[in-house]
Amino acid sequence: KQEVTQIPAALSVPEGENLVLNCSFTDSAIYNLQWFRQDPGKGLTSLLLIQSSQREQTSGRLNASLDKSSGRSTLYIAASQPGDSATYLCAVKGELTDSWGKFQFGAGTQVVVTP
Amino acid sequence: DTEVTQTPKHLVMGMTNKKSLKCEQHMGHRAMYWYKQKAKKPPELMFVYSYEKLSINESVPSRFSPECPNSSLLNLHLHALQPEDSALYLCASSRTPGLAEETQYFGPGTRLLVL
Repeated sequence: KQEVTQIPAALSVPEGENLVLNCSFTDSAIYNLQWFRQDPGKGLTSLLLIQSSQREQTSGRLNASLDKSSGRSTLYIAASQPGDSATYLCAVKGELTDSWGKFQFGAGTQVVVTP
Repeated sequence: DTEVTQTPKHLVMGMTNKKSLKCEQHMGHRAMYWYKQKAKKPPELMFVYSYEKLSINESVPSRFSPECPNSSLLNLHLHALQPEDSALYLCASSRTPGLAEETQYFGPGTRLLVL
């Protein structure tokens, strides 16, 4: 069974610092890995999706890398801003044909960026 | 239109009530999902409709009943819920289930409180 872990569970940084968020997964047989942002009490917003054949994806200040063989992904947020404060979740889509192999979420990293 | 809408935003119900949650998307997506999310926990997948065929997480109690009247609309019927069912219920959709580049789009959620 796929297990997805995010460390640390919480992170506080001063504005302007770079953020590094980690996601690890136990089964490397994945279709893709997706990073989401969630504001308190709200739905999830997709940030980046990396297909299993890709090594990284970039969007603005965000960069996500994927090392499938070691079961790791890292989300980098450059020059953090208070508006980046949120919970960041990674989700892995498994290769299993069973629909329950689809999206497995990590517990998230709660980020606070202080002015 | 890249939006998934959910109604109502908030719902308070007693344990003997019957209510329904509604989710709608007009992106032509062929898969729709119901997730349950407790505070500070990752979303847990409850049901998937893929090309209007239902897959069920067998750990979900029968007091939750999904319905997919058409490919754009998804309902979750609630009956005789328990206080521990209080959570944020998220709906999501994706374009073509089974593709590596599949991204899930989430609605804002319905905050449910069972008294």
